[in-house]
Amino acid sequence: NAGVTQTPKFRILKIGQSMTLQCTQDMNHNYMYWYRQDPGMGLKLIYYSVGAGITDKGEVPNGYNVSRSTTEDFPLRLELAAPSQTSVYFCASSYRGELNTEAFFGQGTRLTVV
Amino acid sequence: AQSVAQPEDQVNVAEGNPLTVKCTYSVSGNPYLFWYVQYPNRGLQFLLKYITGDNLVKGSYGFEAEFNKSQTSFHLKKPSALVSDSALYFCAVSLTTDSWGKFQFGAGTQVVVTP
Repeated sequence: NAGVTQTPKFRILKIGQSMTLQCTQDMNHNYMYWYRQDPGMGLKLIYYSVGAGITDKGEVPNGYNVSRSTTEDFPLRLELAAPSQTSVYFCASSYRGELNTEAFFGQGTRLTVV
Repeated sequence: AQSVAQPEDQVNVAEGNPLTVKCTYSVSGNPYLFWYVQYPNRGLQFLLKYITGDNLVKGSYGFEAEFNKSQTSFHLKKPSALVSDSALYFCAVSLTTDSWGKFQFGAGTQVVVTP
């Protein structure tokens, strides 16, 4: 019963490098989200998707890109890493049915940009 | 725009005492409300939700929350706290009319339960 799986768990990037944070879910959820968590700030929505091929920006999309080619996968791309992107990143998914509306979260990716 | 406020950065309680974590929200429309818990170096775990119906909802690990529409609050409660309840708690809101199903989270409340 995997749920939402994120890789890698930890990563250190140098300024200007790029990377992709992977996220996959096996619950056949149509909605997927990327959040970043900074101390004392709660979770901020970066991007979200309602299904394959449909994505939109959240509160803090600058410096990130996403794609959704399948229901299962929702990778987050950082093109030119900056120290301000040091954070913990969480992927989540949900099923927007009548009663089943909670989000399920991955374990997170702790990213440090130096 | 919707927002969620958790007015306390930290709540300290002795084991066996009642625990309350406060949450108020501001939305234009009807909300879905949620509580999540986060243990160190882990993802968020769902505790409970209010969708419709009874204002008192019960969730995992003995937690419950009461939806109060007039006060726009959704406080989390546990009658008798355990040391293992020490964690970071998040309140979240989603609009029933939001077809994208986006969640807005509060800043979180650190709960510390002392033996």
